[in-house]
Amino acid sequence: GDSVTQMEGPVTLSEEAFLTINCTYTATGYPSLFWYVQYPGEGLQLLLKATKADDKGSNKGFEATYRKETTSFHLEKGSVQVSDSAVYFCALSVLEYGNKLVFGAGTILRVKS
Amino acid sequence: GAVVSQHPSRVICKSGTSVKIECRSLDFQATTMFWYRQFPKQSLMLMATSNEGSKATYEQGVEKDKFLINHASLTLSTLTVTSAHPEDSSFYICSARTPGQNTEAFFGQGTRLTVV
Repeated sequence: GDSVTQMEGPVTLSEEAFLTINCTYTATGYPSLFWYVQYPGEGLQLLLKATKADDKGSNKGFEATYRKETTSFHLEKGSVQVSDSAVYFCALSVLEYGNKLVFGAGTILRVKS
Repeated sequence: GAVVSQHPSRVICKSGTSVKIECRSLDFQATTMFWYRQFPKQSLMLMATSNEGSKATYEQGVEKDKFLINHASLTLSTLTVTSAHPEDSSFYICSARTPGQNTEAFFGQGTRLTVV
């Protein structure tokens, strides 16, 4: 079945450090890929998405590129802030399977000032 | 962006009772809504896909008779946890996607269910 694997956390960084959160996937169809973020005490919000190979999603300084050859969608940010502390979820959906989202386990990011 | 409202945000109930959780799409019509369960420090596990006007599609291992889903209108889906037990205690989250392909999913704030 379809699945998403994320690097385990928590990831602890100092402010202005470079961030990478790895995400790889397996899918039987052609998936769309997403990163969702969950800030403390809040619901999930879409951070960025990419719908086809080589697409780059970006938002709030975060970027991720859809790499079909390596089945990856790693999340990066050049300079993190304390306010980026949250749980980040990589996810995929395949239209042929009802467009439902399959999530990775989530990665806790803690940014220290 | 679109808003999905989930209610209640927290509920405590006694073992053996039933609890209903509501999920509403406030400014768009959602033909499909999704119900997830999130365990502490774990990911969201899809429980079922709720389709307006038809029966829900449950994921493997999810008890249909325990987790009753009703999607009576394009803006409302409900999840009823029947005869709740302490092991049903969890964080339940609903989601709705705007119509179309590869559209964004909007999530409710979640419901923390505690069964005592």
